[in-house]
Amino acid sequence: GEDVEQSLFLSVREGDSSVINCTYTDSSSTYLYWYKQEPGAGLQLLTYIFSNMDMKQDQRLTVLLNKKDKHLSLRIADTQTGDSAIYFCAESMAGGGNKLTFGTGTQLKVEL
Amino acid sequence: KAGVTQTPRYLIKTRGQQVTLSCSPISGHRSVSWYQQTPGQGLQFLFEYFSETQRNKGNFPGRFSGRQFSNSRSEMNVSTLELGDSALYLCASSSGGGASEQYFGPGTRLTVT
Repeated sequence: GEDVEQSLFLSVREGDSSVINCTYTDSSSTYLYWYKQEPGAGLQLLTYIFSNMDMKQDQRLTVLLNKKDKHLSLRIADTQTGDSAIYFCAESMAGGGNKLTFGTGTQLKVEL
Repeated sequence: KAGVTQTPRYLIKTRGQQVTLSCSPISGHRSVSWYQQTPGQGLQFLFEYFSETQRNKGNFPGRFSGRQFSNSRSEMNVSTLELGDSALYLCASSSGGGASEQYFGPGTRLTVT
């Protein structure tokens, strides 16, 4: 079945690294995504990883995928106050077209 | 390239009424998906249209329907509105037929009173 879980809150100091975690249950995932949502806004695609990859790096963002444990993480280096937002992981499934199953979202708060 | 646009941005309706929301995907994109976002249920998939055909459908009642036009613009309709339909409705645009990069619009905030 489809179930994607995330911790609800994360607080970090500006300049530190943030790590947001996500677990999923469906082993037929094809792509796994990270989206960012700021208050009153839609979802901004940050990055995504194909399910046969272990890692993807994109500037300050590093995605790690442990397919055996069905665990996905997003690391944000040198976290800034502008990174404060809700972060959603999402998965797509083989044969599911573009349907995404989203996690509950992690609210990241960056403190000075 | 212009992003995904949704109209209207805000809408207030009364119980029992119906509503139509519109989504214009990124130029060249043929897939449009719709999602409902509420504080209690989070982000839930409504349906996906690809080349004017509904390809996937989520677990929503038949009051929720949609369509896609030949220019890839999509509309979703909710009939007989209920208070619980108050939500942010998001559409996502994608170029491909399979899972690929999906870009979201700003959403339509629907309030049912």
